[in-house]
Amino acid sequence: TQTVSQSDAHVTVFEGDSVELRCNYSYGGSIYLSWYIQHHGHGLQFLLKYYSGNPVVQGVNGFEAEFSKSDSSFHLRKASVHWSDSAVYFCAVTRTEGADRLTFGKGTQLIIQP
Amino acid sequence: GPKVLQIPSHQIIDMGQMVTLNCDPVSNHLYFYWYKQILGQQMEFLVNFYNGKVMEKSKLFKDQFSVERPDGSYFTLKIQPTALEDSAVYFCASSLEVDTGQLYFGEGSKLTVL
Repeated sequence: TQTVSQSDAHVTVFEGDSVELRCNYSYGGSIYLSWYIQHHGHGLQFLLKYYSGNPVVQGVNGFEAEFSKSDSSFHLRKASVHWSDSAVYFCAVTRTEGADRLTFGKGTQLIIQP
Repeated sequence: GPKVLQIPSHQIIDMGQMVTLNCDPVSNHLYFYWYKQILGQQMEFLVNFYNGKVMEKSKLFKDQFSVERPDGSYFTLKIQPTALEDSAVYFCASSLEVDTGQLYFGEGSKLTVL
């Protein structure tokens, strides 16, 4: 069984600040880790994913995430947030064998203050 | 970018009625998915579908649920009969390949069962 934990339900920062959204997972096999963004009233949009290689992966709109096997983590970061980054961010894990059955975390709502 | 379209965006029905949610996946995609999101909660996998068959389904995919994609038309989720606990937003997703961890989601169909 794979699980995904996002410890922060809400994160509030000011526009221009850096931000880190935390994600921890548990799974014993080979997996993909990914991040999705959901703006209010819309579907999820893919941001980035990790499977192997360089533990820091770059995504769209200046987002990056770093995989840590020792910490079982895949935290999402952005150096300078924009008001349009306000959304709910979901971390997800899926095994590499079989179909893409994503297991999502509960999401972190990022609130950008002016 | 690639778009997944869902029809209807909202549907209100009485408990016990049948409902069909339609999904027009990305044109060259081969794998199709339904996810369920109850308000304020994480998205949960229902079912995935390939080559005319269900590949995998979760325990949320009750006997009253069915999926099909007749002759390359809409990928549909049918619930018959509906129950109060079926009220949720249902998201369709598609992918070109399996085991990539990258899905394209529609904007969701909000189902309210009265």
